Amino acid sequence: LVMTQTPATLSVSPGERVTLSCRASQSVSSYLAWYQQKPGQAPRLLIYDASTRATGVPARFSGSGSGTEFTLTINSLQSEDFAVYYCQQYDNWPPWTFGQGTKVEIK
Amino acid sequence: QVHLVESGGGVVQPGRSLRLSCAASGFTFNSYGMHWVRQAPGKGLEWVAVIWYDGSSIYYADSVKGRFTISRDNSMDTLYLQMDSLRVEDTAVYYCTREDLSPLSPYFDTWGQGTMVTVSA
Repeated sequence: LVMTQTPATLSVSPGERVTLSCRASQSVSSYLAWYQQKPGQAPRLLIYDASTRATGVPARFSGSGSGTEFTLTINSLQSEDFAVYYCQQYDNWPPWTFGQGTKVEIK
Repeated sequence: QVHLVESGGGVVQPGRSLRLSCAASGFTFNSYGMHWVRQAPGKGLEWVAVIWYDGSSIYYADSVKGRFTISRDNSMDTLYLQMDSLRVEDTAVYYCTREDLSPLSPYFDTWGQGTMVTVSA
């Protein structure tokens, strides 16, 4: 089961809305998580079950999708949101598989 | 407060062994499945291994099967990863992660800060 994220890099300005995509090679139902990783830090859980925000995650982060197509949307991008974002499926395991990541960088 | 703290990383020659530890605190360790996830320098995340809350089930990524052994000591709230026959391609930051309690949603809700393993001659 392969997870594919697009684009690899996204150049955006603070305040913009961004949409990251994740596609599964076969259906994973809604068993999908999104993680944020900043340089030199461990990943942090943002979204689970495709659309549920983890504790403490700001409301500007939202997830949607089911089956094979998923999106992570960040409304009004803040400076602290510039990071790499990974999707992960946990429907069909082992193995637990991650996408290759999308880097959100400052334009 | 939930904490996972990895240790045991370092520089090791190809073919040698290393044991990583992950000390857990702030939660009931023996109730949670635990995983190791690694990240090679400049690369993405790769799941390595999982052990059930009671040690009854264990799974490995194909890339480490037969060389790595995951274990846990619930009396010490500690997770381990014994890495044998190390290869250059095992060079990575190794993260200890906690799996959510829901049996239907085994995502990773807590991560340690990671420990670096470098395999080099």
